[in-house]
Amino acid sequence: ELKVEQNPLFLSMQEGKNYTIYCNYSTTSDRLYWYRQDPGKSLESLFVLLSNGAVKQEGRLMASLDTKARLSTLHITAAVHDLSATYFCAVEAYNNNDMRFGAGTRLTVKP
Amino acid sequence: DTGVSQDPRHKITKRGQNVTFRCDPISEHNRLYWYRQTLGQGPEFLTYFQNEAQLEKSRLLSDRFSAERPKGSFSTLEIQRTEQGDSAMYLCASSSGTSASYEQYFGPGTRLTVT
Repeated sequence: ELKVEQNPLFLSMQEGKNYTIYCNYSTTSDRLYWYRQDPGKSLESLFVLLSNGAVKQEGRLMASLDTKARLSTLHITAAVHDLSATYFCAVEAYNNNDMRFGAGTRLTVKP
Repeated sequence: DTGVSQDPRHKITKRGQNVTFRCDPISEHNRLYWYRQTLGQGPEFLTYFQNEAQLEKSRLLSDRFSAERPKGSFSTLEIQRTEQGDSAMYLCASSSGTSASYEQYFGPGTRLTVT
């Protein structure tokens, strides 16, 4: 059964600092997603990673995928308050449409 | 196109009652997904349609839950004889399902409270 683990689950950081969120998954996958969710809102797609070594960047966020290690990272550069939200990674198992989400990382950026 | 829409946004019901939610996907998206999200957790997959065909169902989808997508456009999710444990946010998502875009676009969700 596909399992997805994120860490840390809670992250409090100061503005201007860098940090990385990790997403490990248990079985072969060729599709990994990162989403953002603000309190009481739905999910906003951030990145879709489809191949080993894929790296995507948008603003202060950069996501990467290592399919051999079954690991994706979401790196935050020079955090700002607007990045405060919960970030989820989600994985589709190979040949399966059942997408599994991690428990989420609740990020708080303090001034 | 305004994206995925869901109706109602909030539903309060008494235990034992039946409820039905509706999801309108992005036009021409042939894939539609239902998820359930409880507080502090990630969304859990419930079921998935390709056009009108329901192709996968999670073990979470008990006999009290049924989903339809009769014409391959909007979908409904019905919960019969609701229980307090059904209280959650029910999210719908759609995708084009082509190799060009596997991305799922989520609706605003329907928050269900069972009293």
